[in-house]
Amino acid sequence: AQKVTQAQTEISVVEKEDVTLDCVYETRDTTYYLFWYKQPPSGELVFLIRRNSFDEQNEISGRYSWNFQKSTSSFNFTITASQVVDSAVYFCALSETASGAGSYQLTFGKGTKLSVIP
Amino acid sequence: GAGVSQSPRYKVAKRGQDVALRCDPISGHVSLFWYQQALGQGPEFLTYFQNEAQLDKSGLPSDRFFAERPEGSVSTLKIQRTQQEDSAVYLCASSLSMVTVTDTQYFGPGTRLTVL
Repeated sequence: AQKVTQAQTEISVVEKEDVTLDCVYETRDTTYYLFWYKQPPSGELVFLIRRNSFDEQNEISGRYSWNFQKSTSSFNFTITASQVVDSAVYFCALSETASGAGSYQLTFGKGTKLSVIP
Repeated sequence: GAGVSQSPRYKVAKRGQDVALRCDPISGHVSLFWYQQALGQGPEFLTYFQNEAQLDKSGLPSDRFFAERPEGSVSTLKIQRTQQEDSAVYLCASSLSMVTVTDTQYFGPGTRLTVL
């Protein structure tokens, strides 16, 4: 069964510090997709990135970067020079191709609450 | 509309009441998902629609939960005889196509249900 683990429940950093959010996943599928979502206090999940299992290139988008390593089943997310607006709960999620009924639902981790202190 | 919308945003129900939660997906999106998010947890899958067809309801916790999408657009999640353990945020998501493993799911703001 697929599983996503975000071991860090809460992290606090001072503004302008860099912070890395960890995500470890389990799947028996060879083709799968990984996602990161941000959930600010308003509650809406905001899509950040999607990565497929065949693409291990790291990606950078502004202050955000993602490190995907199949060898360790990890898909970590780094925020550089954090800002107060980055304060939110961040979720890592997994979608498999072989999901039985074909619904391709997302399996989420429990989330990491990031607090950026001014 | 520009994004997924859900109504009501907040719902308080007395135990035993029936509730109906509405989701308006992004226009043209074929796939629609419902998730339940308990306090301090990640969202958990409830059910999936492809147009009007409910293809997967394996995540529905009991037969008190029922979802429909009769015209392939708006969806309603109904909970009968609500219990306190049903208190959670109910999230709706939609994605563009039927091949949803390659698609991104876009989420609505959720409905926070509190059962007293």
